Parts: sequence; structure tokens; C-alpha cells
Amino acid sequence: EAGVTQFPSHSVIEKGQTVTLRCDPISGHDNLYWYRRVMGKEIKFLLHFVKESKQDESGMPNNRFLAERTGGTYSTLKVQPAELEDSGVYFCASSPRDRLPVGYTFGSGTRLTVV
Amino acid sequence: GQNIDQPTEMTATEGAIVQINCTYQTSGFNGLFWYQQHAGEAPTFLSYNVLDGLEEKGRFSSFLSRSKGYSYLLLKELQMKDSASYLCAVRSERGYQKVTFGIGTKLQVIP
Repeated sequence: EAGVTQFPSHSVIEKGQTVTLRCDPISGHDNLYWYRRVMGKEIKFLLHFVKESKQDESGMPNNRFLAERTGGTYSTLKVQPAELEDSGVYFCASSPRDRLPVGYTFGSGTRLTVV
Repeated sequence: GQNIDQPTEMTATEGAIVQINCTYQTSGFNGLFWYQQHAGEAPTFLSYNVLDGLEEKGRFSSFLSRSKGYSYLLLKELQMKDSASYLCAVRSERGYQKVTFGIGTKLQVIP
């Protein structure tokens, strides 16, 4: 089966610009997560979708971040306007709904650099 | 709050055994994961413990003591390809699906 796909793999943008990250989970996985790793820090939870619904968005840093998962398939994470501290690697992961407990399947991440 | 501690770096010799420790203090506990992450790649699932004791899977084993808030990952017969970061992650009862990650232990295997 195809894995979790993230696009783009790298993005360099200027402060104040907008960037949209995309994640395609494994087909049939209801659970989709966004995590972020800032350099030198641990991977931190951003939010969790179950199908198209936001189950938990307690990790979203502020209202400059907007995540969507229309139709319960792929998800986008938009940062607008981007700030320097938003730089990091953004990981998406998915897991099936009923086969618990299982680990996530992660994508390779999007490395975002805000200059 | 949630706190997960693990050593940041370790070095071990090819063919040897290495133990990577993880201690945690979390608001609840509903399972502990270990992930392996090679540089520039996605973290990949290694193991899951929810009950006390040792889970063995080939060259890798993971141990959990809930009363001590402690886990370790044991890697036997180390190979050069085992050089990677090893991430400890805990799922707390609150936020059923969400896991909290440690910073990861970067393991270097030397000849």
C-alpha cells in the first residue's frame, strides 16, 4: 500500500508570506495527525482529525495556523502569515480507526524554512 | 504537564548490545511507543508497551515499568544501519490518540 505522502518536501518562504502544506494519508485511515519538530526540540502534536472532523486541535500554536480535511481524505495545513519561529519539519501521520493500539505511519515531512 | 526524558546521544559498537532509557511523567498513561528515525526520513514504528514487562521483536526489545514511569529499548547484535534517532512517545488517557514525544536519542553505531 502507498504510504503517507507529504508535499512539498521542502519550502523556503519569506516572513509574512503564506504556505500550504499537504498530506495524503494511507487510503482508508480515518485518523490523521499533524506534528511539528522545531530544530533541537521534540516532535510536538498540532492536531488530530477523525475523518473530516477536528478531534483535538490543542497543539495548534495560534490562529495563523489553519488545518482542513475536506471530505475526510487529504489534509492541508496553511500558515498565514508565516513567522520566523514557524520554521521546522512538519510531519503528517495516519492510523486506522479501529485497529488500536497501533503506531502511526508517518510521512517524510515538509521542511519549512521562513527567512 | 507531560515530560519525557531520554539521553540525547549514544555511541555503541557494531555487534554489541545497547539499551536506550526513557523516563516519563504524564497526566495519564495509555501506552508507550518507540519509533526509529533515520536522518531526513519519516519516523517508523518499532514497538508498543501498555503492560509491564518485556516485549521482544527480533533484535529489538522494549521494556516497561508503569510504577516507575520507565521504559527502555534494547537493541542486540547492532548493525551499522541501526544508526538513527530513537524516539520514545507516550499516549496519555486524555487525548486518547495524541502522543507526546521525547526529544529522541541519536544512536551512532561504530565499527
